Amino acid sequence: AQTVTQSQPEMSVQEAETVTLSCTYDTSENNYYLFWYKQPPSRQMILVIRQEAYKQQNATENRFSVNFQKAAKSFSLKISDSQLGDTAMYFCAFMKQRANNNAGNMLTFGGGTRLMVKP
Amino acid sequence: GAVVSQHPSRVICKSGTSVKIECRSLDFQATTMFWYRQFPKQSLMLMATSNEGSKATYEQGVEKDKFLINHASLTLSTLTVTSAHPEDSSFYICSARLAGGRRQETQYFGPGTRLLVL
Repeated sequence: AQTVTQSQPEMSVQEAETVTLSCTYDTSENNYYLFWYKQPPSRQMILVIRQEAYKQQNATENRFSVNFQKAAKSFSLKISDSQLGDTAMYFCAFMKQRANNNAGNMLTFGGGTRLMVKP
Repeated sequence: GAVVSQHPSRVICKSGTSVKIECRSLDFQATTMFWYRQFPKQSLMLMATSNEGSKATYEQGVEKDKFLINHASLTLSTLTVTSAHPEDSSFYICSARLAGGRRQETQYFGPGTRLLVL
């Protein structure tokens, strides 16, 4: 079974500054996907970024980037130029990759990190 | 693209009644949908995996007779909480995956349904 750990229950950052959220996971799988989801006060889950384990290059989406360390089983999220709208719960998630298709694979979520961006 | 809706967004019911929650993929087909439960300030807990045209797969500890799941079409899955009790009060979230094509691994989430059982 896979486990995902987010060791920071809460974090805060000043607007326009950079913050890094930590995530570690435990798995015996070699092929998998990793995700960061954001859940703002509206509670709508929004995909922030995804990473395929076989890719060495770290994924980037505008102000969001990850530091994927496969050997260390670490997948941190860096938010640059933080904005007030980034205030939310952030969940790290893991999913196994199957050879044929991934339609039925489940997500394993971490416990979440509550991020507060201060003006 | 990849929008998932849930209805209702909020429901209050009396203890002992049944409540149905709908999850729809609006602009794509989803062979697989997932149902989660989220308690306040906690993470999402997977309840069951719903497959179009077949029985749902329930996670350990989730009562299948209590939480009835039907996935009758490629765009609709329903969760019925039968004989609801106050301890069933929670936030229920569904997600859906694209059927075929690229990025099948990505789940798109609905906005959630807040259930309060009095």
